[in-house]
Amino acid sequence: NAGVMQNPRHLVRRRGQEARLRCSPMKGHSHVYWYRQLPEEGLKFMVYLQKENIIDESGMPKERFSAEFPKEGPSILRIQQVVRGDSAAYFCASSPRQVAYDGYEQYFGPGTRLTVT
Amino acid sequence: AQKVTQAQTEISVVEKEDVTLDCVYETRDTTYYLFWYKQPPSGELVFLIRRNSFDEQNEISGRYSWNFQKSTSSFNFTITASQVVDSAVYFCALSSMDSSYKLIFGSGTRLLVRP
Repeated sequence: NAGVMQNPRHLVRRRGQEARLRCSPMKGHSHVYWYRQLPEEGLKFMVYLQKENIIDESGMPKERFSAEFPKEGPSILRIQQVVRGDSAAYFCASSPRQVAYDGYEQYFGPGTRLTVT
Repeated sequence: AQKVTQAQTEISVVEKEDVTLDCVYETRDTTYYLFWYKQPPSGELVFLIRRNSFDEQNEISGRYSWNFQKSTSSFNFTITASQVVDSAVYFCALSSMDSSYKLIFGSGTRLLVRP
């Protein structure tokens, strides 16, 4: 059973460009979460999606950031017009159910390290 | 509001020493889950343990052990006879009905085990 896949693992973008980060959840998992880890900090929740639905995007910056989880294909985190402050590691996690119910742990992908030059 | 505090920013020990990483949490929920994750230098997050709020029994897994104390809202992690491969950043995290699906992470403790 393959784990959570993220690609690319490393992404370099110049200021003003767009960054697209992809996440394929574990087989059978329909809940996807995105977290951001700024350098030397812990992970901060960004957005929670189920297939074709955004459940909670309260942790997502209001501008330039968007996320989707289509019926087919991976979840995408999109950052438009990147700035240096967007440089961070972006982790995707998946679970078969909401974490609070039955305490299913979230399985994390290896992360995408975004560097904005 | 939920909060996780890992007061120890960085710990350095010599191999074979025992080391305890502290985790203090805050939540108003009576049902919640606590987690520990390891982030080695390679960067990925490795799940270590999950504990629910109704199970205060301490757990041991090889050289790892966890002490859950609701009275002090703590979920501490001890590594016995530490090894160089234990060098990593360790994160404590909380989820509860109030946060429903978010993992609330502490800021992490960087452990350096010197040979």
